Order: sequence, then C-alpha cells, then structure tokens
Amino acid sequence: GAGVSQTPSNKVTEKGKYVELRCDPISGHTALYWYRQSLGQGPEFLIYFQGTGAADDSGLPNDRFFAVRPEGSVSTLKIQRTERGDSAVYLCASSPRTGGPTDTQYFGPGTRLTVL
Amino acid sequence: KNQVEQSPQSLIILEGKNCTLQCNYTVSPFSNLRWYKQDTGRGPVSLTIMTFSENTKSNGRYTATLDADTKQSSLHITASQLSDSASYICVVSGDSSGGYNKLIFGAGTRLAVHP
Repeated sequence: GAGVSQTPSNKVTEKGKYVELRCDPISGHTALYWYRQSLGQGPEFLIYFQGTGAADDSGLPNDRFFAVRPEGSVSTLKIQRTERGDSAVYLCASSPRTGGPTDTQYFGPGTRLTVL
Repeated sequence: KNQVEQSPQSLIILEGKNCTLQCNYTVSPFSNLRWYKQDTGRGPVSLTIMTFSENTKSNGRYTATLDADTKQSSLHITASQLSDSASYICVVSGDSSGGYNKLIFGAGTRLAVHP
C-alpha cells in the first residue's frame, strides 16, 4: 500500500511569502505528526493531530506557523511571512493509533523548504 | 532538559566490517527507545523499538541494546553493506501525558560504507 506522501518535494520561496505544505498520511491512520529537520540535526516535533483536532501544538515555533487536518486525513502546514530561518525539511508522519508504547510512526519523504 | 546524544557524529567503514553506534539519553519519564535509519533525502524508517524491560532487539543485521539504568543504547551493524550508508537516529519516547508518545530525536550518526 501507499506510504505517507508529501507535496511538494521542494519549495523555494522568498522571504515574507506564504507557503502551504501538504501531507497525505497512510489510509486509516488516525494520528499525524509534523516535524522540522534542520541540516545535520534530528527532527524536531511541531504538532500532533489525533483525528481532526490538534492534540498538541506545543512545538510550533511561533504564530506564523499553523496546521489543519479538517477531515482527519490530509493535513496542511501553513507558514506565514516566511523567514530565512524557516528553511528546513518538513517531515510528516502518521501512525495507526496513539498511546501504544511501541506505536510506530511512518514518515513521509519530507518537503525541503528554502526561503531566499 | 530532555536530550538524546549520539556518537560518533560520522563514521566511515569498509564494506563487510561491523560497527557500533552509541546513544545516551536524559529523557524522563522513559517509555521506549527506537533506532531509525534515514537515507539521504528520505524520511526516517524504523529499525527497532525497545521498551524499558527489553535490553536487546534484532532486525536482520541490526542489533540494538538498551541499558535503562545507565540510559545508554547502542546499534550494532554486522557485515555492513553499501546500502547501509545513511544516518542512524536514536529516538527516545517519554512523556505520554498528552495521550501519545512524544518522540525526542538525536542528531544522528552519519555512516558511510565504502567498497
């Protein structure tokens, strides 16, 4: 079956612009996570959805970042007034459920965002 | 502060050789520890998951160990292949107060296997 997909794979934008990054989780997965990975670093947690609701958005760096998952499947990460420091790979992951100690998160290939 | 530290940062070995990657963590509370493999330009892929009561877990040529007392883990790769060239990330899951396992990632060890 299909894995987690993310679009676009690469996005180049200018400072101050608005961008949207899309994540299609594995069908039936109720939990969805967004991470940001800077060069040479491990992913950092941004936000977690259980179904349609954002159960934990404590990782969002500021109010320029926002994410939605209106129907409990596809999610969109939205970044307003982009800054050069937002340049990173944005990873999405999904898992079948939540709470299980060995619940595996399946990652997408990421979207590489470059802010000029 | 919850942290996951890995060593070495990078490693070069010859094809067919073994290697061991290290991970130290200070995450508390602790739920489980995972090793992920991340190929360049791809998302991480889970290799092993170990809970508090497990001290070793194998997945083919990959063997992970966990010492929850000293908060250390290792990933041993046997008979390395060129396709093992990737970053290996140690991930600790701890705080589940939000109803899910929050993952804390190390920076990874970049492994290069040369012919």
